[in-house]
Amino acid sequence: ETGVTQTPRHLVMGMTNKKSLKCEQHLGHNAMYWYKQSAKKPLELMFVYSLEERVENNSVPSRFSPECPNSSHLFLHLHTLQPEDSALYLCASSDGLAGADTQYFGPGTRLTVL
Amino acid sequence: GENVEQHPSTLSVQEGDSAVIKCTYSDSASNYFPWYKQELGKRPQLIIDIRSNVGEKKDQRIAVTLNKTAKHFSLHITETQPEDSAVYFCAASSTSGTYKYIFGTGTRLKVLA
Repeated sequence: ETGVTQTPRHLVMGMTNKKSLKCEQHLGHNAMYWYKQSAKKPLELMFVYSLEERVENNSVPSRFSPECPNSSHLFLHLHTLQPEDSALYLCASSDGLAGADTQYFGPGTRLTVL
Repeated sequence: GENVEQHPSTLSVQEGDSAVIKCTYSDSASNYFPWYKQELGKRPQLIIDIRSNVGEKKDQRIAVTLNKTAKHFSLHITETQPEDSAVYFCAASSTSGTYKYIFGTGTRLKVLA
């Protein structure tokens, strides 16, 4: 499964650290997404990019900062996180932004904030 | 705001039996309803989807039914096998207005051999 890749797979960071999550899609898709997956909660959509433009920001705290330099790459920059930010962060891509497309997920980054 | 309720949260069935998972959505503009399967430690993957212009879709042992009037849709797995054990997520999406793709809370299915 190499369609959508994410690095790193695991990340442990302190609350004062700055780190970045990386996502790359090899499917030729036009839209990319960041989701947060916590235990016993639904997948939470964080950000949506279509053709490198951010089209959705679901009231995510400013300590999460996305970047989409091109349609194949998506980053999530992290700074001064809180322990409650510990979760699995999933990247996804889809062919379009119609809202009626299959989401192709990456393997996720398991983030632990100490 | 809009949400998707999913039931049950956990489901145990004997191998060979059927499993049914139900979802209810609130946004009447929703017109695309996918189901994802997430095995332990792996990424969610689409297993079946249905659009609002049909009431039922089947793919081998998996079927999805949609009742737009009642705003609910269901996943049916027949002849369950141990490899069906996973967490299943429903979602509801709309193609009109602001982008929306809302997931249910998930159902952990255990198929007992």
